[in-house]
Amino acid sequence: DGGITQSPKYLFRKEGQNVTLSCEQNLNHDAMYWYRQDPGQGLRLIYYSQIVNDFQKGDIAEGYSVSREKKESFPLTVTSAQKNPTAFYLCASKGGDATNTGELFFGEGSRLTVL
Amino acid sequence: EDKVVQSPLSLVVHEGDTVTLNCSYEVTNFRSLLWYKQEKKAPTFLFMLTSSGIEKKSGRLSSILDKKELSSILNITATQTGDSAIYLCAVGRRSQGNLIFGKGTKLSVKP
Repeated sequence: DGGITQSPKYLFRKEGQNVTLSCEQNLNHDAMYWYRQDPGQGLRLIYYSQIVNDFQKGDIAEGYSVSREKKESFPLTVTSAQKNPTAFYLCASKGGDATNTGELFFGEGSRLTVL
Repeated sequence: EDKVVQSPLSLVVHEGDTVTLNCSYEVTNFRSLLWYKQEKKAPTFLFMLTSSGIEKKSGRLSSILDKKELSSILNITATQTGDSAIYLCAVGRRSQGNLIFGKGTKLSVKP
């Protein structure tokens, strides 16, 4: 079945450690996104990529990094520079051209807890 | 600064009630408004409204876009406990691929 797979679903990290969240899609979508969700805050955009080997910062990119070496994959690294990384992270993708503001397809999310 | 505001932030109703969720926006180059339902993890798509499609309906759910008032409502009639979820409103802009999300409305439907 086509869809978006995020892993791991749950992750615990010690302060000072970098962690990488995986996001893979087999929908043949060009655009991929990372959002962060905190209670009562809705979804806030971290990074997005509209094409392979290109990505842009979102509203809260500080302390995060991404890569887009393959169309299917858009991993997110939460670095030690991110001061408050405990959150629920959602990956999404979208088909159509780069300016298409249609439906986003979401993964099941990764919940990161910093101990 | 572009923004999307949803109200109320939370709502508790009883089964059978009708609810109306609100979403207002202030964005440049508006293109579309989308509603999502988030029960546990992944938000699921409900509706997309644009200038060419300002009203959508699916079963007990319906949504209207008011471009003059820069707002949208999501109506749920005859609510069921399965409607309990966070409802997210998002806006898309011309020439930009990402969506701006509101904070969501948490709906709780009691038996």
